[in-house]
Amino acid sequence: DQQVKQNSPSLSVQEGRISILNCDYTNSMFDYFLWYKKYPAEGPTFLISISSIKDKNEDGRFTVFLNKSAKHLSLHIVPSQPGDSAVYFCAASAFNRGSTLGRLYFGRGTQLTVWP
Amino acid sequence: DVKVTQSSRYLVKRTGEKVFLECVQDMDHENMFWYRQDPGLGLRLIYFSYDVKMKEKGDIPEGYSVSREKKERFSLILESASTNQTSMYLCATGGQGETQYFGPGTRLLVL
Repeated sequence: DQQVKQNSPSLSVQEGRISILNCDYTNSMFDYFLWYKKYPAEGPTFLISISSIKDKNEDGRFTVFLNKSAKHLSLHIVPSQPGDSAVYFCAASAFNRGSTLGRLYFGRGTQLTVWP
Repeated sequence: DVKVTQSSRYLVKRTGEKVFLECVQDMDHENMFWYRQDPGLGLRLIYFSYDVKMKEKGDIPEGYSVSREKKERFSLILESASTNQTSMYLCATGGQGETQYFGPGTRLLVL
């Protein structure tokens, strides 16, 4: 049973506009959330994270929002650029609540395509 | 910078062969992980290790085993490769924090 869900397998956005990638989770023990970006034939790279004590974290063009009551988080990319075209994975952990040794639970990913 | 290296980028093997995939990290991290990535299925955890000679099953351990004889090295072994093990294999490492760092991946084709 998937504990982290990314319900949109793909998203297409025009360059310069906002990209919003969504993620839902079911386990209320999760207290840390991460986004990874993956290009074809490469390993995922860490993008941004957020702790459950916050509801927003920003890093340049990337902002992650967390809504704990809805068990929902989103990644906003503004403005979107063609180089942002990649698969984005949402991940969660219960690190501060006795999780199994730093294990992350991943969603299935969303393919973002940014067109000129 | 964390560096995670994997022994091969591309590998072609025949059904029934024993396959070794090796991962090496240079950051003295305790935790190491093996995932496979398949289209539409995301990253699925095969095995992980939190210390030398320790291992834990992930979500899909069947058909795989692992070895961790040294802290920096974590090997994934396909005892008898099958065509359904054709996939992208990703190694990751993590310290006491939550963030995991991934290697470049090995694309394995089993014929």
